Amino acid sequence: DAGVIQSPRHEVTEMGQEVTLRCKPISGHNSLFWYRQTMMRGLELLIYFNNNVPIDDSGMPEDRFSAKMPNASFSTLKIQPSEPRDSAVYFCASRSQGAVEAFFGQGTRLTVV
Amino acid sequence: AQSVTQPDIHITVSEGASLELRCNYSYGATPYLFWYVQSPGQGLQLLLKYFSGDTLVQGIKGFEAEFKRSQSSFNLRKPSVHWSDAAEYFCAVVHNNAGNMLTFGGGTRLMVKP
Repeated sequence: DAGVIQSPRHEVTEMGQEVTLRCKPISGHNSLFWYRQTMMRGLELLIYFNNNVPIDDSGMPEDRFSAKMPNASFSTLKIQPSEPRDSAVYFCASRSQGAVEAFFGQGTRLTVV
Repeated sequence: AQSVTQPDIHITVSEGASLELRCNYSYGATPYLFWYVQSPGQGLQLLLKYFSGDTLVQGIKGFEAEFKRSQSSFNLRKPSVHWSDAAEYFCAVVHNNAGNMLTFGGGTRLMVKP
């Protein structure tokens, strides 16, 4: 298995632009997580899907952030409009049914200028 | 509030020396416990995990961790550090009462001196 795949690996965008981050979980996994990592706040859970349904989005910072999981093999995290304070590394992770440990992608480093 | 604490933000050790990274959690019952490692520019890799049973667990890359209920701790250890171990290490917990979500500590950055 190729593991959790995130794209792009790096994204540089101008303030105000829409940004879409993509994630392909490990095949057969039914839970998916989006995390944000910054120097100031460490690793923060943004949103958690189970069987494609958002279970907890309390970590989503504000309405500019949205996440979807249209099917079991794909999820997106969108920021519209983006702001410089959104600059961070965004990680996607997935987990199989009944398991506890999650497996992480390589992350997307987002820079908003 | 439920939390995971890694008291040491930075640790520097000499190559070949032993290592212990501290992790404490504040939950009412024993959660599931993990250590992840993040090399520069990379994602998080699972080193080891504790669910139940033997309180000393072995992981990859020669790491081990010991769960101590009385101290609410899950410290990571390695007898002899290699230069390639330089990375950031994260302790994490999953607690059933938190929707089985993975919560991370703040991380400890390990530097290895030649």
